[in-house]
Amino acid sequence: QKEVEQNSGPLSVPEGAIASLNCTYSDRGSQSFFWYRQYSGKSPELIMFIYSNGDKEDGRFTAQLNKASQYVSLLIRDSQPSDSATYLCAETTGGFKTIFGAGTRLFVKA
Amino acid sequence: ETGVTQTPRHLVMGMTNKKSLKCEQHLGHNAMYWYKQSAKKPLELMFVYSLEERVENNSVPSRFSPECPNSSHLFLHLHTLQPEDSALYLCASSQDIGREQYFGPGTRLTVT
Repeated sequence: QKEVEQNSGPLSVPEGAIASLNCTYSDRGSQSFFWYRQYSGKSPELIMFIYSNGDKEDGRFTAQLNKASQYVSLLIRDSQPSDSATYLCAETTGGFKTIFGAGTRLFVKA
Repeated sequence: ETGVTQTPRHLVMGMTNKKSLKCEQHLGHNAMYWYKQSAKKPLELMFVYSLEERVENNSVPSRFSPECPNSSHLFLHLHTLQPEDSALYLCASSQDIGREQYFGPGTRLTVT
């Protein structure tokens, strides 16, 4: 059973701090990794995708992928209350099957 | 219209009803997906279409029947559903299978 594991949280950080969200996956054949943000009552919104080992930065967001250790993380710098949401990690394996984690709830305190 | 749209946004149906969910993508993508999201559970992939051909049927009960008439439209036909089928049904599309997906707003389904 291929799985994507995330800590359900809630992860609470003060405004302006760095929020660090982590995800591990079981399938060594996984090729593509994604982070989505989901506000309560809304649909998931793509934040970042990463295919290669290392870091990928986009504005306040940095995705980090380590295929040897089978983890992917998302760093949010200068966290804002508007970043409070559930963050979903997902991976695609076998070319088409995308598996989502259950999500980590992030709460940014003003 | 831009992105991925879904109708209706909310649906209440009895167990003997037949209804359909509609999804349309305006992104020129080749792949479309149906997901189910229940409370406190991860997103569950139901169906995947690539260039109008179904490539994944994730052991979904036959009371859910997908249809993809062209690369821009996707339907989910529902009949004789059960109360446990109440959930948020999400449609998504991607440029090609395996690429990043863009979600519609979802249909909140309640089966009474």
